[in-house]
Amino acid sequence: KQEVTQIPAALSVPEGENLVLNCSFTDSAIYNLQWFRQDPGKGLTSLLLIQSSQREQTSGRLNASLDKSSGRSTLYIAASQPGDSATYLCALNNNNDMRFGAGTRLTVKP
Amino acid sequence: GAVVSQHPSRVICKSGTSVKIECRSLDFQATTMFWYRQFPKQSLMLMATSNEGSKATYEQGVEKDKFLINHASLTLSTLTVTSAHPEDSSFYICSAEDRDYDLYEQYFGPGTRLTVT
Repeated sequence: KQEVTQIPAALSVPEGENLVLNCSFTDSAIYNLQWFRQDPGKGLTSLLLIQSSQREQTSGRLNASLDKSSGRSTLYIAASQPGDSATYLCALNNNNDMRFGAGTRLTVKP
Repeated sequence: GAVVSQHPSRVICKSGTSVKIECRSLDFQATTMFWYRQFPKQSLMLMATSNEGSKATYEQGVEKDKFLINHASLTLSTLTVTSAHPEDSSFYICSAEDRDYDLYEQYFGPGTRLTVT
């Protein structure tokens, strides 16, 4: 059964800093990996989707990488802004089964 | 991008009553839909996987007689919380899987906040 771990659980950085969120998983037989953002009390916003055959995806200030062999994915956020403050979740899609990490709670201080 | 809607967004009900939550894929057909619940400050927990036209597959520990799931069409799945109790109060989120182009991308609804008094 897929286990997904996200480190760190919480992160606080000053505005403008570049940062990396980490996601590790145990089963590399995945269809894809998604990074989501969740604001308090709200639903999920999909940020990036990386297919199993891909190594990375980029959208604006966000870059996500996938290394199946090591069971790791990273979400890189460049030039962080206070509006980036949220919980970031990674999720692995294995054939009709999607597992989420516990999330990293990011706070970007002005 | 694809859109998934959920209705209602918020619901308050009394203990013992039943509540139905709808999940619709608005611009694509979803053979498979998923239901999650989320407790405060915790991640999403998969409750069940529903495939159109067949019975839902429930995760271990989820009572299928309490959380009734129906996926009668390719665009609609419903979750009915029967005989609700205060401990069922939670944030329920559905997702629909778009298998076009073999992407298997999940699209999430905005969630339904259930409060049982």
